[in-house]
Amino acid sequence: AQSVAQPEDQVNVAEGNPLTVKCTYSVSGNPYLFWYVQYPNRGLQFLLKYITGDNLVKGSYGFEAEFNKSQTSFHLKKPSALVSDSALYFCAVRDDQAGTALIFGKGTTLSVSS
Amino acid sequence: GAVVSQHPSWVICKSGTSVKIECRSLDFQATTMFWYRQFPKQSLMLMATSNEGSKATYEQGVEKDKFLINHASLTLSTLTVTSAHPEDSSFYICSARATGGKAFFGQGTRLTVV
Repeated sequence: AQSVAQPEDQVNVAEGNPLTVKCTYSVSGNPYLFWYVQYPNRGLQFLLKYITGDNLVKGSYGFEAEFNKSQTSFHLKKPSALVSDSALYFCAVRDDQAGTALIFGKGTTLSVSS
Repeated sequence: GAVVSQHPSWVICKSGTSVKIECRSLDFQATTMFWYRQFPKQSLMLMATSNEGSKATYEQGVEKDKFLINHASLTLSTLTVTSAHPEDSSFYICSARATGGKAFFGQGTRLTVV
């Protein structure tokens, strides 16, 4: 069965500091991994995805994520946080078998202080 | 935690017919509901955002006359795919959120149009 875990409900960082939002997953096949962001009163917005290829994936707004197969992780990172990055972040996974739906993590609230 | 129930989980319909998908928040009042479509091997696409008692706001490129969204109560939103065609076959996922709260996702509905 597929599952995804975001162990932190909230991450607090100071503006200008690096940030990491953690995600681990479990799938039966090869994983397709995604990060989404949700700003207040908005729907989900796609940030980045890993399907195959380079383990380091770069996405929107300066975010990147590294696929680590041995640790079954796909942590979201940014070298220098902005206050405007404060939002709710969702990790999602599905395996590479046709017909499977995305499974989302519970979400992590990122709070960046000035 | 909060539960969002989506029904049916899968449906097969004939081309030209209409299909209704329900999204219910079981233990909270969902002032906002989001409908997503998942394309094969791709990430989620936000179709529309609906606030209870208001007309849905559709994303660019989504036909509002084809994908009818009704959010008549604080616990129920429906998506009706009208005059379905095979290219409408996809996973449809709803998300519900209380005012100021986190978004919770339904389990998805797999629509197959034959």
